[in-house]
Formats: sequence, structure tokens, C-alpha cells
Amino acid sequence: ETGVTQTPRHLVMGMTNKKSLKCEQHLGHNAMYWYKQSAKKPLELMFVYSLEERVENNSVPSRFSPECPNSSHLFLHLHTLQPEDSALYLCASSPSRERSYGYTFGSGTRLTVV
Amino acid sequence: DAKTTQPTSMDCAEGRAANLPCNHSTISGNEYVYWYRQIHSQGPQYIIHGLKNNETNEMASLIITEDRKSSTLILPHATLRDTAVYYCIVRVLNSGNTPLVFGKGTRLSVIA
Repeated sequence: ETGVTQTPRHLVMGMTNKKSLKCEQHLGHNAMYWYKQSAKKPLELMFVYSLEERVENNSVPSRFSPECPNSSHLFLHLHTLQPEDSALYLCASSPSRERSYGYTFGSGTRLTVV
Repeated sequence: DAKTTQPTSMDCAEGRAANLPCNHSTISGNEYVYWYRQIHSQGPQYIIHGLKNNETNEMASLIITEDRKSSTLILPHATLRDTAVYYCIVRVLNSGNTPLVFGKGTRLSVIA
């Protein structure tokens, strides 16, 4: 365990479903991130939260909706996804945006959209 | 952030040193070299970072050339569990406005 916990580990959902991915860290970090990793592609940054405020939205479609209720929890709400959204979704945290070399990643959620 | 160039893949015999090169010829004076690795189906893991001096920790050593245009990550005694994709990233240390961006990395296969 890295200290960043993601649930569920695996998720299969239909294109009309609504689901949420959860990320939790108790490392005392103040910045949290969502990354997407599609097959044979580099990791793509999706969202950045610093002190619970979204500071970056990397041109992500609105069918992905992040939520950061506090500095320990981060959610990614999913609705009306497409099959091409199938990927490994990774959450990471760091002490702050400034001390961002110390990223700690979770193990990811493997999402399959059918 | 400066771009990096890494070989697509490498093989290494178990127990031998794995030397992973990275070219970063356009690196700026205040940019550090970071290495992360990603074992299959897991999240990336921080390994080491450095500015211009060689660095060593319990996982690896980082050798940076004097002109800082290239570096080498050394795993001194590779094991099968070191099989992973290794990412070399160049960025300013406390670049709060620039989150970590990953390239394609080098796929290292450690062979028994």
C-alpha cells in the first residue's frame, strides 16, 4: 500500500450508467490529481486539486466530473461514458503543488465501458 | 518543461546492473531530473531525482553528465520485480503551476 487508496479496483459500466471512483489519502498531502492511462498511451493528467480547489482541468469532457470534499478525499463522477473511456484511472497526491516532486500514486481503477 | 528522450525498451539479466539512459539536451538551469517507474497495472512510483550531482538512495543511483544534457538511472542488481516502465521527467523542483507530465518511458524487462 502506498498510502493512496483507490476504490473500486475494477469497474465495468454501461454507457448509460452513473458511477463514481474514489480516492483517499491520509498522508497529510494538500494536492490531489486524477490521471488517465489508456492502453499503449502515456499517462494523461485530467484534474488537479490544491487545498480542495480545482486548479486545473485539462480539457476533459464534461462526462467526467471531479469532486474534492476535503484534502483527504477525491472523487471522479462518471456518466454517459463511451467505450473509448475505458482505461486505468490513477489518483495521486503530493504535499502541496509547490512540493510536487513527491507524488504518491494509488493502484488505480481499471474501468471498462461496455 | 524540457523534453526527454528514452529508448523504448531494454532487457537486463537478473542480478546484473540495469543502466537506463535519458537524453534531455534542452534542460534549463533550474530543472531537475526525476525518475519514476510503473510496474504493470500499478500506479507510478517515485524513484529518485537530482539537479547536477550524482544521487543514490536505497532504490537506485542517478548519474547526471557534467553538461546536464543526459543522465543514467542505475539499478545495481536488477531483480525480476524491477520489470517495469521507467519514466525520466525533467522539471523545476517546486513548479507548482506544472503538474507531473509523463512521456512514454523505457520498458525494462529483467530476464532470469
